[in-house]
Amino acid sequence: GNSVTQMEGPVTLSEEAFLTINCTYTATGYPSLFWYVQYPGEGLQLLLKATKADDKGSNKGFEATYRKETTSFHLEKGSVQVSDSAVYFCALSGRQGAQKLVFGQGTRLTINP
Amino acid sequence: EAQVTQNPRYLITVTGKKLTVTCSQNMNHEYMSWYRQDPGLGLRQIYYSMNVEVTDKGDVPEGYKVSRKEKRNFPLILESPSPNQTSLYFCASRQYDRVGADTQYFGPGTRLTVL
Repeated sequence: GNSVTQMEGPVTLSEEAFLTINCTYTATGYPSLFWYVQYPGEGLQLLLKATKADDKGSNKGFEATYRKETTSFHLEKGSVQVSDSAVYFCALSGRQGAQKLVFGQGTRLTINP
Repeated sequence: EAQVTQNPRYLITVTGKKLTVTCSQNMNHEYMSWYRQDPGLGLRQIYYSMNVEVTDKGDVPEGYKVSRKEKRNFPLILESPSPNQTSLYFCASRQYDRVGADTQYFGPGTRLTVL
């Protein structure tokens, strides 16, 4: 079945540092890929997505590129802020049938001033 | 405002006492899901519904029931809760599109403790 693997957390960085959170996936066919973010005490919200190979999703300074050859969708940001502290989830959705959204285990990010 | 609402937000109950967590969306979405979030496990799908009167099991359906009598509502029912159902629960909805790329909208979560 489909699965998503994220880098283990927690991740702690200083403000203005460069961020990478690794995400790799296993899927049949050509899934859509997502990054969701969960701020403290809230539900998940979509951060960015990509629906085909070589697509780049971007939002709020975050970027991720759909790499089919390496089955990866790594999240990057050039200069993080304290307000980026949250839990980040990589996810994929199959195109067939129920199109279930499959999540990675989440990576907790803390940014220190 | 487009949103998914859940009630209650917090619930402490005892083993065996039936409970229902309500979920409602105002976006006319066809597809709705329930997830539970546990540390180190991410989100796991409990049940989903692709339209009114169409529901199916997700990855962890044991001990849960759902119904979809109206498009906007998708309640989660625990007939006889047990302590291993202590978790953070999320309802979500999205439009069903042909490539699975549509955004999923999440409710704010229900933190359930079963004693």
